[in-house]
Amino acid sequence: GAGVSQSPSNKVTEKGKDVELRCDPISGHTALYWYRQSLGQGLEFLIYFQGNSAPDKSGLPSDRFSAERTGGSVSTLTIQRTQQEDSAVYLCASSRAPDTQYFGPGTRLTVL
Amino acid sequence: AQTVTQSQPEMSVQEAETVTLSCTYDTSESDYYLFWYKQPPSRQMILVIRQEAYKQQNATENRFSVNFQKAAKSFSLKISDSQLGDAAMYFCAYRRSHDMRFGAGTRLTVKP
Repeated sequence: GAGVSQSPSNKVTEKGKDVELRCDPISGHTALYWYRQSLGQGLEFLIYFQGNSAPDKSGLPSDRFSAERTGGSVSTLTIQRTQQEDSAVYLCASSRAPDTQYFGPGTRLTVL
Repeated sequence: AQTVTQSQPEMSVQEAETVTLSCTYDTSESDYYLFWYKQPPSRQMILVIRQEAYKQQNATENRFSVNFQKAAKSFSLKISDSQLGDAAMYFCAYRRSHDMRFGAGTRLTVKP
């Protein structure tokens, strides 16, 4: 079946602009995660959604970052007033909680 | 807080040989999951192998096997008969409920 998909694959934006990153999880997966991976680094947890429960936002680095998940499926990560330090690969993963996470191909964000 | 440590930033192996990647973790929990993920240059995170902490038997997936030492909090990955396609970043991960932590990664090079 189809895996986790993310769009866009690459995004280049100017400092101060807002960006939206999209994640389509695997059908039937109730849990969805967002991670950030800076160049040559490991994964940094951002936010977690599980069904209709309140999301765990403990990993969001600032109030410029927000995410929503509509209808328990597609999720959008929004970064407002982007800064150069926001440049990274943003990875989305889904799972049948609490099982193995399956990752999307990521969105590479470059802030000029 | 749970932390995951990969002490080998880079490793190299000759094609067809065996290599072991190290991982240690810190937790006070007794029930959790451990994973190894592979991330090739395409940046897609691919699950290699997983281990449930309550299982004493080491997980095996074809050429990949783990040495899980629960008391020592050690979870190493052995790759047998290494192939050129095994070249990638390898991440060790710990999961308790929805909390998932990743190590910093080990870059594996396979020499022909």
